[in-house]
Amino acid sequence: RKEVEQDPGPFNVPEGATVAFNCTYSNSASQSFFWYRQDCRKEPKLLMSVYSSGNEDGRFTAQLNRASQYISLLIRDSKLSDSATYLCVVNFPTDSWGKLQFGAGTQVVVTP
Amino acid sequence: ETGVTQSPTHLIKTRGQQVTLRCSSQSGHNTVSWYQQALGQGPQFIFQYYREEENGRGNFPPRFSGLQFPNYSSELNVNALELDDSALYLCASSSGQQPYEQYFGPGTRLTVT
Repeated sequence: RKEVEQDPGPFNVPEGATVAFNCTYSNSASQSFFWYRQDCRKEPKLLMSVYSSGNEDGRFTAQLNRASQYISLLIRDSKLSDSATYLCVVNFPTDSWGKLQFGAGTQVVVTP
Repeated sequence: ETGVTQSPTHLIKTRGQQVTLRCSSQSGHNTVSWYQQALGQGPQFIFQYYREEENGRGNFPPRFSGLQFPNYSSELNVNALELDDSALYLCASSSGQQPYEQYFGPGTRLTVT
């Protein structure tokens, strides 16, 4: 079983619509959670951290469910520029120095 | 842009050869992490360097080794290349204060034939 699992998609989303997807993680001791965005053949970029109480950054909302060990990302009012692969990222459970475990990514395609 | 640079951009090697990849971290960052990203997969943690010392290693064999220099730039060395080593190699820099806020370089795409 992978440490971090994601639905690979693609999620095909009409422009202006809302899309949401989850990621599950296997180790309950993980403490830090993030969403990164990766455009085709580019490097990953930090989109947002995920806090226990849930957090929002503009059109993006992240939620953490520790009991069920999943995090979610919701994108409202999708833009064409939101087309990318979204990587779910969790810290190594025994680590506090920034060693990260990445999921394989969820592909989002926003269509006109 | 992140200010993290990597060289070379692309590289083609044959099986059994050795390769060295380079990374310059963002100004003010003292930590460099290296990741391997195979096609269709997420980045996999190789190792991390903090103040010139290895500070943790993922599930990679000893033929993957690294260095960090006093200016915090870093090298990744891979000996006895195998076909499965073909991947995008990413380095990420971060500071001790914000270890999880990592800034990635554009990567080196290695092809082993």
